[in-house]
Amino acid sequence: DIQMTQSPSSLSASVGDRVTITCRASQSITNYLNWYQQKPGKAPKLLIYAASTLQNGVPSRFSGTGSGTDFALIISSLQREDFATYYCQQSYSSPRSFGQGTKLEIK
Amino acid sequence: QVQLQESGPGLLKPSQTLSLTCTVSGGSINSDNSFWTWIRQPAGGGLEWLGRIYRSGSALYNSSLESRLAISVDTSANHFSLSLKSVTAADTATYFCARAANKFDYSGRRLGQTFDDWGLGILVTVSP
Repeated sequence: DIQMTQSPSSLSASVGDRVTITCRASQSITNYLNWYQQKPGKAPKLLIYAASTLQNGVPSRFSGTGSGTDFALIISSLQREDFATYYCQQSYSSPRSFGQGTKLEIK
Repeated sequence: QVQLQESGPGLLKPSQTLSLTCTVSGGSINSDNSFWTWIRQPAGGGLEWLGRIYRSGSALYNSSLESRLAISVDTSANHFSLSLKSVTAADTATYFCARAANKFDYSGRRLGQTFDDWGLGILVTVSP
């Protein structure tokens, strides 16, 4: 099974900051990497797929990069509504697996 | 965009069987390129993929649960279900149903699979 490891586990930042969250796979997953945002009490929401493709309707301040085993989610200028928990997820093989999450909090 | 709604008991005792149903509306469970999925999340924890089923009845399970888990689909009722046997406190979690779909680029090249639509989630507690 493929293990996904995110860092950091939590992050404090301010509105307007640029933030980077990283995700590492235990083996190559080419670019079969997705990012989700989850707010308390809600289901996750797809932000980015194929490592760097923005899902329809997602603001352009979100971007993704990487291939193979190392990936990153970048938020260029944090907005108040972006404070949430973010998960990476691989769709290279089954069982599908998620990172442990990165909780983004207001500084 | 389809809507999904989980239903089932919120409280079970250890050793019982958990049965949940996910009702799909706004679309057909028979649609192509839709893989009907169960994911769970313990309180304050991360997301665990449990398994998925296709309209044909072909199912795929997380090996960590395979001996206890079964997922079925009822195309006439437009819903799919989860059965988890011999539950313990470790099975306490919010259970989500979701629709997974393959993504393709303009040339038809597959770009992976994503969880596009989710239910609200149902909290299941296992306690004596």
